[in-house]
Amino acid sequence: AQSVAQPEDQVNVAEGNPLTVKCTYSVSGNPYLFWYVQYPNRGLQFLLKYITGDNLVKGSYGFEAEFNKSQTSFHLKKPSALVSDSALYFCAVRDTPDSSYKLIFGSGTRLLVRP
Amino acid sequence: DVKVTQSSRYLVKRTGEKVFLECVQDMDHENMFWYRQDPGLGLRLIYFSYDVKMKEKGDIPEGYSVSREKKERFSLILESASTNQTSMYLCASVTGGADYEKLFFGSGTQLSVL
Repeated sequence: AQSVAQPEDQVNVAEGNPLTVKCTYSVSGNPYLFWYVQYPNRGLQFLLKYITGDNLVKGSYGFEAEFNKSQTSFHLKKPSALVSDSALYFCAVRDTPDSSYKLIFGSGTRLLVRP
Repeated sequence: DVKVTQSSRYLVKRTGEKVFLECVQDMDHENMFWYRQDPGLGLRLIYFSYDVKMKEKGDIPEGYSVSREKKERFSLILESASTNQTSMYLCASVTGGADYEKLFFGSGTQLSVL
């Protein structure tokens, strides 16, 4: 079965520093990977996705993610963190090629950016 | 912008009550989903629907049912609420077109079962 793992419950970073939120995946076949963000008292918002092509995917709010097939990872990155980036981040993978609309989510990583 | 509206932000119910959570989307999306969100567990899929009157079980359907009589509305029903169903419930919808993985989520309903 497809799955994603987010090994860190929380990531702390100072404003202006680069940030990385980790995600590893386990899939059969080609992975379809996603990042979503949840701000306080809000639903989840789509950030970016990897389907095929370049290993570095750019998304909303200056975020990018690097797909690494050999390490089965899809880490979320940003060169310079903002306090407003503080939120809950979820990695997700498409369930199976036949169930295009089902996403399997990780457990989430809370990002805290301190001023 | 797509809007997914969940009828209640907070809900408090008693064990054994029948509970209805309503979700409405305004972008004519074919596919709709109900997830529950629990700390440390992420989002888990309860049910989804890819068309009117169609439904499929997700990963944790026990104790829940759904109804989709109209394309824009997807209801989650807790037949007899129990304390272990205290959770944040998130509704989502997505089109069947090119951005079919870009789910749009509602703001969530925090349900407490006492």
